[in-house]
Amino acid sequence: DSGVTQTPKHLITATGQRVTLRCSPRSGDLSVYWYQQSLDQGLQFLIQYYNGEERAKGNILERFSAQQFPDLHSELNLSSLELGDSALYFCASSVTSGKTGELFFGEGSRLTVL
Amino acid sequence: AQSVTQLDSQVPVFEEAPVELRCNYSSSVSVYLFWYVQYPNQGLQLLLKYLSGSTLVKGINGFEAEFNKSQTSFHLRKPSVHISDTAEYFCAVSPSGAGSYQLTFGKGTKLSVIP
Repeated sequence: DSGVTQTPKHLITATGQRVTLRCSPRSGDLSVYWYQQSLDQGLQFLIQYYNGEERAKGNILERFSAQQFPDLHSELNLSSLELGDSALYFCASSVTSGKTGELFFGEGSRLTVL
Repeated sequence: AQSVTQLDSQVPVFEEAPVELRCNYSSSVSVYLFWYVQYPNQGLQLLLKYLSGSTLVKGINGFEAEFNKSQTSFHLRKPSVHISDTAEYFCAVSPSGAGSYQLTFGKGTKLSVIP
């Protein structure tokens, strides 16, 4: 158990809809990262938040947005969903007191868009 | 920017045989290097990491990797695999000097251990 909790584990929705994925980082971790894992693209970095502020942005579509709340949990919002958005979405958190560079991953949220 | 190439998408190997999973990277800056493992229906778990110092890094479950700067490689090895090692393995890099630990992953290598 990594200590990172993601909900929901599975989600099935239709094209054009909007969903929210939630992540609770490990206790004490200030950074949260979102990754998308798909068969064709592999693991793609989407976005990072540090203590409530956006720190880095990767290949995140404009239809997607994220935020980190004062209690450090994070949400990834996916809107106007397309079939190609079907993927496994991982959240990870990191220790920020040292430069270990290790990320702790949750078990992911599997999104299926029909 | 960084990129990672995992040369083999699938590697079948017999139980108790040695295995090497290959990883090459490209970067214009110094990097940290990682291997993560993903068991079926689970998240990624860190196997080992290279930050600095000795180029031979030992990780969990008997795995080790060697950083070769001249060849920009970070191959993962295990002298004798077990059935339980069946999983997907990801090589990753991050810039060593940045405050962000943004990882760039390779596309993964599926290791199948044959009884």
